[in-house]
Amino acid sequence: AQRVTQPEKLLSVFKGAPVELKCNYSYSGSPELFWYVQYSRQRLQLLLRHISRESIKGFTADLNKGETSFHLKKPFAQEEDSAMYYCALRVGTYKYIFGTGTRLKVLA
Amino acid sequence: DSGVTQTPKHLITATGQRVTLRCSPRSGDLSVYWYQQSLDQGLQFLIQYYNGEERAKGNILERFSAQQFPDLHSELNLSSLELGDSALYFCASSVDPRAAQETQYFGPGTRLLVL
Repeated sequence: AQRVTQPEKLLSVFKGAPVELKCNYSYSGSPELFWYVQYSRQRLQLLLRHISRESIKGFTADLNKGETSFHLKKPFAQEEDSAMYYCALRVGTYKYIFGTGTRLKVLA
Repeated sequence: DSGVTQTPKHLITATGQRVTLRCSPRSGDLSVYWYQQSLDQGLQFLIQYYNGEERAKGNILERFSAQQFPDLHSELNLSSLELGDSALYFCASSVDPRAAQETQYFGPGTRLLVL
């Protein structure tokens, strides 16, 4: 079955602390994974995709096929990182499966 | 602003009724996706259109239907509404899903409340 699991509904960290948002997937094909973010009062938007291997706003995510994971990491959290984060798996060309999301709260 | 527009923003209706949600993609985007987000649920993929043709279907109920028109706007029709259909319905658009770096741009959503 194709599935994306984000085990934490809420993650609270202090400003300056490291952040790791967990994402695990289940997919028999070659996975294409994404992280989307929704800041307060803004639209859902793409944060990063694994094939680009990029760092956006200090966030990185590495695809680990052995552990079927795509965790999102940032070494030093900032208050403006507080948002809802969704992990997504692209299945085939036209379909996406999203996780249930993790709300990140960065405390001052 | 991503340019994707959705109308209406809010919709309150009764069980058994039928509603139509509208989505206008960004200028130049040929693909439209529809998602449903219920309370405590992630985004559930419903259906996807590319240049007027349905290309993928998710867990879309038979009471729901959609289409993409020649001007590329899309409508999601929900009929025989039930309480459980209350949710936030998102539309997203992209230029071409077959592109290597395809990016979906999301609309603000339509909040549907079925009473």
